[in-house]
Amino acid sequence: EVQLVESGGGLVQPGGSLRLSCAASGFTFSSYEMNWVRQAPGKGLEWVSYISSSGSTIYYADSVKGRFTISRDNAKNSLYLQMNSLRAEDTAVYYCARFLAVAGHFDYWGQGTLVTVSS
Amino acid sequence: NFMLTQPHSVSESPGKTVTISCTRSSGSIASNYVQWYQQRPGSAPTTVIYEDNQRPSGVPDRFSGSIDSSSNSASLTISGLKTEDEADYYCQSYDSSNHWVFGGGTKLTVL
Repeated sequence: EVQLVESGGGLVQPGGSLRLSCAASGFTFSSYEMNWVRQAPGKGLEWVSYISSSGSTIYYADSVKGRFTISRDNAKNSLYLQMNSLRAEDTAVYYCARFLAVAGHFDYWGQGTLVTVSS
Repeated sequence: NFMLTQPHSVSESPGKTVTISCTRSSGSIASNYVQWYQQRPGSAPTTVIYEDNQRPSGVPDRFSGSIDSSSNSASLTISGLKTEDEADYYCQSYDSSNHWVFGGGTKLTVL
């Protein structure tokens, strides 16, 4: 069974940093492209970042570029999101999502981890 | 980049058919596949339609997707509505500048 479990969320002050993790199991993690998608409280979905299966190709939404860094450790079956210079508008539930390239959609999602940026 | 615009909410009675639209602001809707996700309260999204009109295994054939180049929009149609279909629905497509774009979401109420 495919499982994606996010962790690392919490309360952080504006300007602070946080590192999210996503532990994957039930599939060959190193074969899949991965993404982070976030959802502000009561709002819609917003794509945040993409990383290829090898980690060699990375993309970011304009809203986080220069502040967030996506990475992965295929030996540990883990995906990461380093978030720096956090702003109030980064407050959201952050989901890791597996991308099924052959079908072009996010086919599995974790349950999310809440990041709250507030003083 | 383009935007995908959805109605904020729709409602319909059980057993009826409802259609949710998703209009692309610039560029052709046919340029990149459209996906649809269902999100029930407190849960992560799940795919109900991918590549414009394909259903993942396990999604009932009451769900169908289409695109209309004349209106530059995609549509999700749910027939034989059930109360369990009540959820938020998001369309999503890919921008050639290597970004993934979501619509703002539509709250479906089955009353």
